[in-house]
Amino acid sequence: SQKIEQNSEALNIQEGKTATLTCNYTNYSPAYLQWYRQDPGRGPVFLLLIRENEKEKRKERLKVTFDTTLKQSLFHITASQPADSATYLCALDLGNTGKLIFGQGTTLQVKP
Amino acid sequence: DAGVIQSPRHEVTEMGQEVTLRCKPISGHDYLFWYRQTMMRGLELLIYFNNNVPIDDSGMPEDRFSAKMPNASFSTLKIQPSEPRDSAVYFCASSPGTELYNEQFFGPGTRLTVL
Repeated sequence: SQKIEQNSEALNIQEGKTATLTCNYTNYSPAYLQWYRQDPGRGPVFLLLIRENEKEKRKERLKVTFDTTLKQSLFHITASQPADSATYLCALDLGNTGKLIFGQGTTLQVKP
Repeated sequence: DAGVIQSPRHEVTEMGQEVTLRCKPISGHDYLFWYRQTMMRGLELLIYFNNNVPIDDSGMPEDRFSAKMPNASFSTLKIQPSEPRDSAVYFCASSPGTELYNEQFFGPGTRLTVL
């Protein structure tokens, strides 16, 4: 069956360091992969989208990689700040259906 | 634009009662999604609509759940009768389409507690 795995353990890092979050998937061939941020008590907010034919995407301090051979995406936040503390969700698009399947999310805590 | 609007924000009800959750998507968006989020199961897609038509309801847990979209600016998710295991945060999201851009815009959610 289709499965998406994100680090279940919370990630604690020091301010200024680079945070790296992992998203692995099995039995999928996604056309796109997306990353969302969710703060407590709020809905997820879109951050980045990467297509299957793209290796890397950047937006300000954020970088996403997508390796379709390894079936893995890495999400990096450089020069992390306490305001980056949140839960980060990866989501796979099942072709051009508009339908997304979400991972369980990884909670990031950036300490000052 | 006000974004996706959901009501109520919080709902506390007793087992067996009917619950109706409401959603107003962003104007012009073709797709509307209903999700449920719990600690155990994460964010699960329940059903989604394209141009007001239900496309995939395979995530709806059972017949007690139903969803409608009578027009492009309104959708409801109904649970009848409600049970304690339905307690969760329910999100509505909308999307402008699927050609090249599938970003979904989420509402603030409705926190449902069934006693």
